[in-house]
Amino acid sequence: EAGVVQSPRYKIIEKKQPVAFWCNPISGHNTLYWYLQNLGQGPELLIRYENEEAVDDSQLPKDRFSAERLKGVDSTLKIQPAELGDSAVYLCASSLGQPNEQFFGPGTRLTVL
Amino acid sequence: GNSVTQMEGPVTLSEEAFLTINCTYTATGYPSLFWYVQYPGEGLQLLLKATKADDKGSNKGFEATYRKETTSFHLEKGSVQVSDSAVYFCALSDRSGNNRLAFGKGNQVVVIP
Repeated sequence: EAGVVQSPRYKIIEKKQPVAFWCNPISGHNTLYWYLQNLGQGPELLIRYENEEAVDDSQLPKDRFSAERLKGVDSTLKIQPAELGDSAVYLCASSLGQPNEQFFGPGTRLTVL
Repeated sequence: GNSVTQMEGPVTLSEEAFLTINCTYTATGYPSLFWYVQYPGEGLQLLLKATKADDKGSNKGFEATYRKETTSFHLEKGSVQVSDSAVYFCALSDRSGNNRLAFGKGNQVVVIP
């Protein structure tokens, strides 16, 4: 069974540019999470989806970050415009409902120059 | 709010040595506790978990016991291998219904042959 797929694995952009990350969860998992992991820190939740509905987005900086999960399957996280401080690893995870185990993807490492 | 504290710094030890990584937590109510492992280039994987006081989680020779009286969930392994080299994260999930995981900062473990 395929795990959580994320792309790209690495992205380097200049500040003020837009960037998007894509996540395909494990088949059948209705809950999808986006986490931010700064260097030397544990992941922090940005947003959680139940199917296509964002049910917990209190940690998402809505001035520059947006996310969507239009058909309740794969999801896109966008930053526009990117700032230097956004350099981090962006992790996607999925689970079969709650409060079941979350399965993580390998992450996208973003570097903003 | 909920928080997890892990011991500072990387851990370097020789093969077959005993490993302990300390984890303490602050939470309201009775959280579930987890250890996640992140191997180089891979996503986080659930290593073990415990859902109530005095429960012992175990997997791949690793163990951790949920100690409510000391609010701790220390990870131990009696004889480490080079393949155990990874970053280990302690995490908790409260029972409020949002299944939000709060992670510690992680500990890099390096096992030398």
